[in-house]
Amino acid sequence: DVKVTQSSRYLVKRTGEKVFLECVQDMDHENMFWYRQDPGLGLRLIYFSYDVKMKEKGDIPEGYSVSREKKERFSLILESASTNQTSMYLCASSSTGRTSTEAFFGQGTRLTVV
Amino acid sequence: KNEVEQSPQNLTAQEGEFITINCSYSVGISALHWLQQHPGGGIVSLFMLSSGKKKHGRLIATINIQEKHSSLHITASHPRDSAVYICAVRPLSGSARQLTFGSGTQLTVLP
Repeated sequence: DVKVTQSSRYLVKRTGEKVFLECVQDMDHENMFWYRQDPGLGLRLIYFSYDVKMKEKGDIPEGYSVSREKKERFSLILESASTNQTSMYLCASSSTGRTSTEAFFGQGTRLTVV
Repeated sequence: KNEVEQSPQNLTAQEGEFITINCSYSVGISALHWLQQHPGGGIVSLFMLSSGKKKHGRLIATINIQEKHSSLHITASHPRDSAVYICAVRPLSGSARQLTFGSGTQLTVLP
């Protein structure tokens, strides 16, 4: 049973704190993604990585950074959390193939910044 | 303008009804995904399509590449089908690894 696992389902953090969201996949996928999901806006891509130590900005990278030191793990970092980063965060992974491949999602982390 | 438009945004049906959710997109794509998100957040992939039609149980997904349109049908709907259904496309241009998402359709099936 393939899996993308996010470290927390719910998090409450204070403004200004440094926040780490962790994502692990067990499918040996090259590509990993971090999205945030807000009502009415759908899923928006924050960052993605297509290989270890490689990263690319998505549509809304401001206020976030990422780390991919190992193939199976992709971390999202909020350097100084702010209330407008209160959101649902979703991690996903996919393989790189010549034809389009399926994406697998984690269960989501609901982050509240107070 | 969103590249992926879904309709309706919200849908309420009675148990047993036939349900259709529509997705239109404006760019050339290599594949279209239908995803399901239950309350609590986790997303499950239902279908990945590049042409024609796929069926899994009571779910049917179709795509018309020329018209840039896809539909998700649910036959004999059940309250456990209540969820958000999300259409996502993988554009031909730009990074082939990325998906572009619609804003989702909230489906509620009443007993």
